[in-house]
Amino acid sequence: SYVLTQPPSVSVAPGKTARITCGGNNIGSKSVHWYQQKPGQAPVLVIYYDTDRPSGIPERFSGSNSGNTATLTISRVEAGDEADYYCQVWDSSSDHYVFGTGTKVTVL
Amino acid sequence: EVQLVESGGGLVQPGGSLRLSCAASGFTFSSYEMNWVRQAPGKGLEWVSYISSSGGIIYYADSVKGRFTISRDNAKKSLYLQMNSLRAEDTAVYYCARLESTTLRYFGYWGQGTLVTVSS
Repeated sequence: SYVLTQPPSVSVAPGKTARITCGGNNIGSKSVHWYQQKPGQAPVLVIYYDTDRPSGIPERFSGSNSGNTATLTISRVEAGDEADYYCQVWDSSSDHYVFGTGTKVTVL
Repeated sequence: EVQLVESGGGLVQPGGSLRLSCAASGFTFSSYEMNWVRQAPGKGLEWVSYISSSGGIIYYADSVKGRFTISRDNAKKSLYLQMNSLRAEDTAVYYCARLESTTLRYFGYWGQGTLVTVSS
């Protein structure tokens, strides 16, 4: 089955840039989506189709996808960005949806 | 406003059964593909099951195949998950999630979840 690997944690100072990677075999050939989840809340979509932002999501959130790695970038990080982040793809070979292992972003 | 409200969670013994429901409002339910996603305490997100808009196509995660059954009632704007032969490892918050695009396949709206605890 298809596996998506994320770093368990990323720490960043306010105002700096956080980069969260999502590794998968030839993930660049798939559409990658990203979700933010704060404690006790449901996940919220922050990036879809590699780079697109849903309405209401700040421009500080951006995405990229190439080769074996997709990346979610959070620019000018704020305290409110502290959350868990998950990448997600559709694996057509197994007809399964796959989530990454998740990354906890801590704002120092 | 799109709303998804799950219900039916609770405490159940190992080997028992439970039926979850997800009531949808604020959109044309019959036009959207739906999913169940779960999250064990302190763990990550795990996709559980998918159902097409008509109910004619269904997928399951390997971990629940043969034990769980997804269904929907478009007239009642409701999604269901029948869970049988429950195990301790099925303990999780279960979310229903709306699929936004058949081609891109991402989850645009989520319910608040319902907690299922499997324990003796």
